[in-house]
Amino acid sequence: QQQVKQSPQSLIVQKGGISIINCAYENTAFDYFPWYQQFPGKGPALLIAIRPDVSEKKEGRFTISFNKSAKQFSLHIMDSQPGDSATYFCAAGGTGGFKTIFGAGTRLFVKA
Amino acid sequence: GAVVSQHPSRVICKSGTSVKIECRSLDFQATTMFWYRQFPKQSLMLMATSNEGSKATYEQGVEKDKFLINHASLTLSTLTVTSAHPEDSSFYICSAILTNTGELFFGEGSRLTVL
Repeated sequence: QQQVKQSPQSLIVQKGGISIINCAYENTAFDYFPWYQQFPGKGPALLIAIRPDVSEKKEGRFTISFNKSAKQFSLHIMDSQPGDSATYFCAAGGTGGFKTIFGAGTRLFVKA
Repeated sequence: GAVVSQHPSRVICKSGTSVKIECRSLDFQATTMFWYRQFPKQSLMLMATSNEGSKATYEQGVEKDKFLINHASLTLSTLTVTSAHPEDSSFYICSAILTNTGELFFGEGSRLTVL
């Protein structure tokens, strides 16, 4: 009930392409779904987050799509750039005293 | 977003010594902070939940006496790795949560190398 499953494990995208990373959760009590970007040797940085009352959130080139009934959410990176090459973690958590649960991570490499 | 500062970013120590890592929330008060350990190419492994003014809650398999956590104020939590051994070498990361929103913010991480 506490797992967050993330796929793919790794992803190679051409510059200018769309990167898509998917996550699925189990506990319907979660009400906060963030995505973090992590560069080697650095802590994760909050990239974008969504709450279950909306189905999509866009910030610049980054979009989260959220499907409450399927308990799935995804990150879309439009016009992917080499500087986007990093590890991305999805997570599920919230205000109900839950520990934030992290996906296993996706290593993205954007080819120039 | 909120800022969490972690110090030191890198530390090298001899086997048998103790090392302290600090985690500070710079622009908000954090009743609850978290400590993680991250192995290469892996996800974040939660070690413990640090609660201001009370004892930390450790995850299963994490040695309380090895990893001492103190949350003495609303802006500072510390992790002390006691009697460090080479197998304790890792990347340690802290985070602080905004309780009313559930938003989690991370420190920059600390790379510990035990010789």
